[in-house]
Amino acid sequence: GESVGLHLPTLSVQEGDNSIINCAYSNSASDYFIWYKQESGKGPQFIIDIRSNMDKRQGQRVTVLLNKTVKHLSLQIAATQPGDSAVYFCAENRANAGGTSYGKLTFGQGTILTVHP
Amino acid sequence: SQTIHQWPATLVQPVGSPLSLECTVEGTSNPNLYWYRQAAGRGLQLLFYSVGIGQISSEVPQNLSASRPQDRQFILSSKKLLLSDSGFYLCAWSTGFDTEAFFGQGTRLTVV
Repeated sequence: GESVGLHLPTLSVQEGDNSIINCAYSNSASDYFIWYKQESGKGPQFIIDIRSNMDKRQGQRVTVLLNKTVKHLSLQIAATQPGDSAVYFCAENRANAGGTSYGKLTFGQGTILTVHP
Repeated sequence: SQTIHQWPATLVQPVGSPLSLECTVEGTSNPNLYWYRQAAGRGLQLLFYSVGIGQISSEVPQNLSASRPQDRQFILSSKKLLLSDSGFYLCAWSTGFDTEAFFGQGTRLTVV
């Protein structure tokens, strides 16, 4: 079936390095994507989103890239800090057959990012 | 500003006991509301969503039910808990159909 998934389950980086977390999706009808950060024992926290009419969007220290040709999404974190250590999820707003998603999100499995001082 | 409250934070319940988890949203009106469940080391699975008072849609067959008695109140219930109901339950809200969802802090449910 169609799904949203992540290429790498874990990523370890040194403080100050740039981090890249990848996500693949298979539903070409999806038109809205979100990256969430989840710290242990807490709810997911919104980081950045992107719509399918864009291929890049930047926030504070984060950039999301969308490649619709290969159905690939990535999150880039610049100058990664220990506080960035968490699980990162991509989520897809998947429209149903009638074209209305009602805001329902389909989540990938997550990537654990560990930042070493 | 909008806030979402979810309680309790942790809950240990015996098999066969009832369940009631409550979620309330402040600072907005007519939000879309969602209940997600997260198994250990996994992503989130949508259980229920609601676009208005009394309107509940279930995404997966299960031992749980949801209700929305007020505009900004969403309740997750069970009459008899199963061991497989253990997990991390998250309530979320959004303002529209193509916008981000904001999550509560979650309830860690352990059924023993």
